[in-house]
Amino acid sequence: QKEVEQNSGPLSVPEGAIASLNCTYSDRVSQSFFWYRQYSGKSPELIMSIYSNGDKEDGRFTAQLNKASQYVSLLIRDSQPSDSATYLCAVVDTGRRALTFGSGTRLQVQP
Amino acid sequence: KAGVTQTPRYLIKTRGQQVTLSCSPISGHRSVSWYQQTPGQGLQFLFEYFSETQRNKGNFPGRFSGRQFSNSRSEMNVSTLELGDSALYLCASSYIAGESTDTQYFGPGTRLTVL
Repeated sequence: QKEVEQNSGPLSVPEGAIASLNCTYSDRVSQSFFWYRQYSGKSPELIMSIYSNGDKEDGRFTAQLNKASQYVSLLIRDSQPSDSATYLCAVVDTGRRALTFGSGTRLQVQP
Repeated sequence: KAGVTQTPRYLIKTRGQQVTLSCSPISGHRSVSWYQQTPGQGLQFLFEYFSETQRNKGNFPGRFSGRQFSNSRSEMNVSTLELGDSALYLCASSYIAGESTDTQYFGPGTRLTVL
């Protein structure tokens, strides 16, 4: 069973702090990794994609990938209350070209 | 560029009925995938269509089916509805370039309630 694991949270951080969200996956042949943000009652919104080992930065967001450890993370710098949402880690199932999602981590940014 | 659109946004049905949901992908996107989201199971892949052909299917019963039209618009159908089919149904589109799996962009979803 191919799985994507995330801590369900809630992860609570003060405004302006760095939020660190983590994800592990079981399928060693996974090639593509995505972070989506989902506000309550809304659909997932893409934040970052990452395909190679290392870091990828986009504004306040940094995705980190370590394929050897089967680990992907998302850092949110200068966290804002508007960042409060559920963050979904997704891995491409290379056999089916389908996204396999973790259960999501709920982030709460305290003003 | 307009995003993925889904209709209807909300739907209430009773057990045993069938339902059809519609999805229009982002202009130029040729792949459409469908997902089911429930509080208990999270987001689960239903199926993917490309060039009017179902290429991949998730672990759902045959009551769940879909199709894609020549303009890339897609529909999914659920027959003989069960209470457990109550969920948010999400459509995602992507632009297929070569063999890479491109980013999937989600529509707003259809909230289905089965009574």
